[in-house]
Amino acid sequence: DAMVIQNPRYQVTQFGKPVTLSCSQTLNHNVMYWYQQKSSQAPKLLFHYYDKDFNNEADTPDNFQSRRPNTSFCFLDIRSPGLGDAAMYLCATSRDLHSQYEQYFGPGTRLTVT
Amino acid sequence: TQLLEQSPQFLSIQEGENLTVYCNSSSVFSSLQWYRQEPGEGPVLLVTVVTGGEVKKLKRLTFQFGDARKDSSLHITAAQPGDTGLYLCAVAYSGAGSYQLTFGKGTKLSVIP
Repeated sequence: DAMVIQNPRYQVTQFGKPVTLSCSQTLNHNVMYWYQQKSSQAPKLLFHYYDKDFNNEADTPDNFQSRRPNTSFCFLDIRSPGLGDAAMYLCATSRDLHSQYEQYFGPGTRLTVT
Repeated sequence: TQLLEQSPQFLSIQEGENLTVYCNSSSVFSSLQWYRQEPGEGPVLLVTVVTGGEVKKLKRLTFQFGDARKDSSLHITAAQPGDTGLYLCAVAYSGAGSYQLTFGKGTKLSVIP
């Protein structure tokens, strides 16, 4: 089945130690998104790629970076994780950039910062 | 201020009961989506409503978009334990090369066997 895959499902890192979260998709969608979801809160968009074009949300901290080496893969890099970055990180894809195109979410990676 | 207000925030009911959850806003939207998110998983799209007054049914779930396209409701008939999860409403907007989903905070539903 075509799907959005996130690895690992659970990640523990130390305060200040860089960490990379991975997302891959078999849907061949043009757009890939990263959301942050803290406990009891709604998912919040961090940034998205439309093909190779990177779009950062205005309030996304510089500590968060992303890479998309090809259509299928997208990475979220947290350069110096703080305790406040502990959250569920959700990857999503959509065929194109328009509200008519649905977003498909991966299962998420739960990040713990010790 | 939150663009989408969902109520109630938490709901715990017995299996077989009916329930309705709400998603309200002061803004008008061209479409609205409902997602269900199970613990430890990503949101799964249930339905998209686009026309004011529209009603869509998905098995025991009935979704309605308000006539003014500012609000929506989700009604579950004869709730099952498998309906347990976080129900999120979201609106999408696109412009200037950006397409963003904005979510409400969700209603956390627990269906007790």
